[in-house]
Amino acid sequence: QLVLTQSPSASASLGASVKLTCTLSSGHSTYAIAWHQQQPEKGPRFLMKLNSDGSHSKGDGIPDRFSGSTSGTERYLTISSLQLEDEADYYCQTWGTGIVVFGGGTKVTVL
Amino acid sequence: QLQLQESGPALVKSSETLSLTCTVSGGSINSSSYYWGWIRQPPGKGLEWIGSLYYSGSSYYNVSLKSRVTISVDTSKNQFSLKLSSVSAADTAVYYCARLRGGRAAGTFLDFWGQGTLVTVSS
Repeated sequence: QLVLTQSPSASASLGASVKLTCTLSSGHSTYAIAWHQQQPEKGPRFLMKLNSDGSHSKGDGIPDRFSGSTSGTERYLTISSLQLEDEADYYCQTWGTGIVVFGGGTKVTVL
Repeated sequence: QLQLQESGPALVKSSETLSLTCTVSGGSINSSSYYWGWIRQPPGKGLEWIGSLYYSGSSYYNVSLKSRVTISVDTSKNQFSLKLSSVSAADTAVYYCARLRGGRAAGTFLDFWGQGTLVTVSS
């Protein structure tokens, strides 16, 4: 079964970096994912597609501060030089034949 | 720039059918490169994929909702629609429409989202 697991929360200081983890279920290590950001009271926004080899393609206008990487079944989103507007929920998302799956989301707090 | 806009009643009575429409502007729904989907988010909770549709009419649904969901397309109006029958309080959520890149049945990653519309199910 295709499942994505995310930690519920993460925090870091203004100007620092934070690394979020999205873990694919066993047997799905070759799967690509996407990262989406949802700021408070707003709809989600596509950040990037992240392939299993670590290559990624960002959505239009996404700052260079956002980057992705991979290791095995783990997919990461790193936000560098944290800004106040980065305080948001971050969701990973993947797909299989006939299905689309979301992780539970990680709430990022900027201290 | 592509835009997706959800529309429909904000309040639906329990046991009735929820109906929403997504109007696509700035791009054609009649493209072989994309799927079009519905996602919902109950208050304070995470995102749940409801289903996806190809312009030809092929549709794919979340197994947990499949018996109650129909997604359809009207290419002449550049719109696609969601119907969810026999609703209950558990269906109260913000409903989003979105575009998904093709390449897999039901689509792959969502690259454009609508702003969402809150639908409340009342008893």
